[in-house]
Amino acid sequence: QQQVKQSPQSLIVQKGGISIINCAYENTAFDYFPWYQQFPGKGPALLIAIRPDVSEKKEGRFTISFNKSAKQFSLHIMDSQPGDSATYFCAATSGGSARQLTFGSGTQLTVLP
Amino acid sequence: NAGVTQTPKFRVLKTGQSMTLLCAQDMNHEYMYWYRQDPGMGLRLIHYSVGEGTTAKGEVPDGYNVSRLKKQNFLLGLESAAPSQTSVYFCASIGPPRVNEQFFGPGTRLTVL
Repeated sequence: QQQVKQSPQSLIVQKGGISIINCAYENTAFDYFPWYQQFPGKGPALLIAIRPDVSEKKEGRFTISFNKSAKQFSLHIMDSQPGDSATYFCAATSGGSARQLTFGSGTQLTVLP
Repeated sequence: NAGVTQTPKFRVLKTGQSMTLLCAQDMNHEYMYWYRQDPGMGLRLIHYSVGEGTTAKGEVPDGYNVSRLKKQNFLLGLESAAPSQTSVYFCASIGPPRVNEQFFGPGTRLTVL
């Protein structure tokens, strides 16, 4: 049972454009929602994260929008750059589960120069 | 600090062979995790450990065993490899002060023929 659904599977954006990746979750016990970035041949690395008590978090060109009532959250990459080309995973965890992460299926982002 | 390291980086096995993947972290983290990554399926948790001498099953534990004899090491074993275990395996760890961020190793690419 996939508890975190991610879309789209792949995304192609022109340099300078906005990249948007969406995730939806089912488990209302989740209390922390991170996004991980993975470059080819590397392990995932934390990009940005949000807790459900806020609706938006921004770090540089990266913004998470969170809709608790809809159980959805999204990653927005403003002014997308070729160096942003990577696979992005949304995830969710709850405090009582040894901080286990439930990952979405991933989005392969390609930013064209 | 080396962070999280994984040995080996690549391995090819024949069906029925056994092997052990080693994960080591030098951050004094308590929690450690083993994931497998398959195309279109994100990362799925195999086993995890919340401290030295403890292990627990994740989402996809069948066919794998783990041991955490030392705090800094987490071993993943395949007793009788099957082609379905062809995957990229990632180890991760969590610890203070960033208790919500999982630090990932570079991965091991395993092919079972």
